[in-house]
Amino acid sequence: SQQGEEDPQALSIQEGENATMNCSYKTSINNLQWYRQNSGRGLVHLILIRSNEREKHSGRLRVTLDTSKKSSSLLITASRAADTASYFCATYTGGFKTIFGAGTRLFVKA
Amino acid sequence: DTEVTQTPKHLVMGMTNKKSLKCEQHMGHRAMYWYKQKAKKPPELMFVYSYEKLSINESVPSRFSPECPNSSLLNLHLHALQPEDSALYLCASSQDMGPNPSYEQYFGPGTRLTVT
Repeated sequence: SQQGEEDPQALSIQEGENATMNCSYKTSINNLQWYRQNSGRGLVHLILIRSNEREKHSGRLRVTLDTSKKSSSLLITASRAADTASYFCATYTGGFKTIFGAGTRLFVKA
Repeated sequence: DTEVTQTPKHLVMGMTNKKSLKCEQHMGHRAMYWYKQKAKKPPELMFVYSYEKLSINESVPSRFSPECPNSSLLNLHLHALQPEDSALYLCASSQDMGPNPSYEQYFGPGTRLTVT
């Protein structure tokens, strides 16, 4: 069963704009991670936020976590065409089990 | 070296064939994973090995048989597959040592499998 649900399913923006993706999950988690996948290729780890953290930054990425609402958001600032990809949240609940959300397909127009 | 390699990149096989997918990492990671990903869907966990022992089997049909010969290698043996098994098969590894492991996973590029 899918742990993380993401919205929007697809997002199209202009280069330079910010992109926000949201993820909701159902059970308690140890941490939540965001991954990027370029078309038909392997996933790349972007950022991890632990259950006791509320916000984390990495370069142009900002992740928030609200464990009371069981939700997280990923903000990409000043987007670039190279950010075009699918973005997945992944929840880790323990014992190696990582469950990926449905994903958001981001398209950044140059 | 933070690379996970997978071979082959593409594989076409008939339903009566036997084939194997291979995955290798040299990051000293002791956890290795197999995922299956259908088009426009998220990866679905199939198997996890920890310290060369099978830790998780997500009720995967027996026509998929994983093997971890050593800490750097992970195989997925395929036999009598069905057309619906056609998908991108992803291998990943993570470091599971330390007091608070993150289980951040490093993924290979995947093997695109087509079953005819």
